[in-house]
Amino acid sequence: AQKVTQAQTEISVVEKEDVTLDCVYETRDTTYYLFWYKQPPSGELVFLIRRNSFDEQNEISGRYSWNFQKSTSSFNFTITASQVVDSAVYFCALVNQAGTALIFGKGTTLSVSS
Amino acid sequence: NAGVTQTPKFRVLKTGQSMTLLCAQDMNHEYMYWYRQDPGMGLRLIHYSVGEGTTAKGEVPDGYNVSRLKKQNFLLGLESAAPSQTSVYFCASSIQGLAGYTFGSGTRLTVV
Repeated sequence: AQKVTQAQTEISVVEKEDVTLDCVYETRDTTYYLFWYKQPPSGELVFLIRRNSFDEQNEISGRYSWNFQKSTSSFNFTITASQVVDSAVYFCALVNQAGTALIFGKGTTLSVSS
Repeated sequence: NAGVTQTPKFRVLKTGQSMTLLCAQDMNHEYMYWYRQDPGMGLRLIHYSVGEGTTAKGEVPDGYNVSRLKKQNFLLGLESAAPSQTSVYFCASSIQGLAGYTFGSGTRLTVV
């Protein structure tokens, strides 16, 4: 069975702090995709990144970076120099090899205060 | 290009009433999905469809039915609404399940 665990329910930081959101996944498939989504207070789901199981290179996009480690089944997300606008719920998700559906973790609520 | 459109955006139902949520996509995507989001539970898959005329159950299908009579539309039905179905419902579509997913803006349903 596929499963995504986001152990951090809530994180609070002060602006300009770095913060890492953890994601651990379970799958028996050799081919799969991992995603991160952001859900701001307005409620929509914003796509951040997709990574396939064969690409373990770290990704950096501005203040965002992702660390994918198959050995530990983790796909962690780091925000550098956090800003108030980063306050949101962040979801990690997994698609299995059959590609039938996106399976979400329960999310991490990030609160950034000024 | 509207992407994925959900109607209605808000709805209040009385227990026992029925309703249908409509999801429409204009991207010619084969795959479509219905999720529900509850506090602390993330998004859970209700039903999905991998093509016109096909549907399948997800993680939490009880109390819901779906239909995909046209490729661009995916309907979610509640035959007899219950307070436990109070939730935010998201529809999504994908060209093929491994590719990117496009989500609608959500429907907030309250059952009283």
